[in-house]
Amino acid sequence: QKEVEQNSGPLSVPEGAIASLNCTYSDRGSQSFFWYRQYSGKSPELIMFIYSNGDKEDGRFTAQLNKASQYVSLLIRDSQPSDSATYLCAVATGNQFYFGTGTSLTVIP
Amino acid sequence: EAQVTQNPRYLITVTGKKLTVTCSQNMNHEYMSWYRQDPGLGLRQIYYSMNVEVTDKGDVPEGYKVSRKEKRNFPLILESPSPNQTSLYFCASSLTEFYEQYFGPGTRLTVT
Repeated sequence: QKEVEQNSGPLSVPEGAIASLNCTYSDRGSQSFFWYRQYSGKSPELIMFIYSNGDKEDGRFTAQLNKASQYVSLLIRDSQPSDSATYLCAVATGNQFYFGTGTSLTVIP
Repeated sequence: EAQVTQNPRYLITVTGKKLTVTCSQNMNHEYMSWYRQDPGLGLRQIYYSMNVEVTDKGDVPEGYKVSRKEKRNFPLILESPSPNQTSLYFCASSLTEFYEQYFGPGTRLTVT
């Protein structure tokens, strides 16, 4: 079983809609959870960092963490074409970081 | 400017020719790590370091070496590269193992 699993997509949403991205992880001892955005050929850039149960909002982005169900999600409100990218879920477990394979998002103008 | 730098950005080499990819960060971060990214497999951790002189294997360490003699530098060494090490490599650093990682620009390596 993979440490971190994401739907690979692709996910397409119209401009202005809400995009919902999901991630599950296998280790209940995982401590910190991250969402990164990666454009093709570029390095991952951090969008959100969450470590306690509940919601965390930053502008158009909301991360939700449910440790009991071992999932973390990312909502993107008012999606823009510039949000089109691959979104990576990452989990800090022990001393290591584990990444999902990413969900490709396309925002259609 | 706070950043992680890697060199070279692109490298084409031949099987068996030793190479080093350098990584440096200017954020005084304790934790540094190397990843490789392959289509369909995502980012996989090769090695990580929690502090100077402390390094540990990640999920895919075979064929790689690292060292951490100074806090800011964390080079990745391929003693005898093989074609299956053709990949996109990222160096990253973070304050500790619990905090967000900041990534370098990547090194695209091709081994023929």
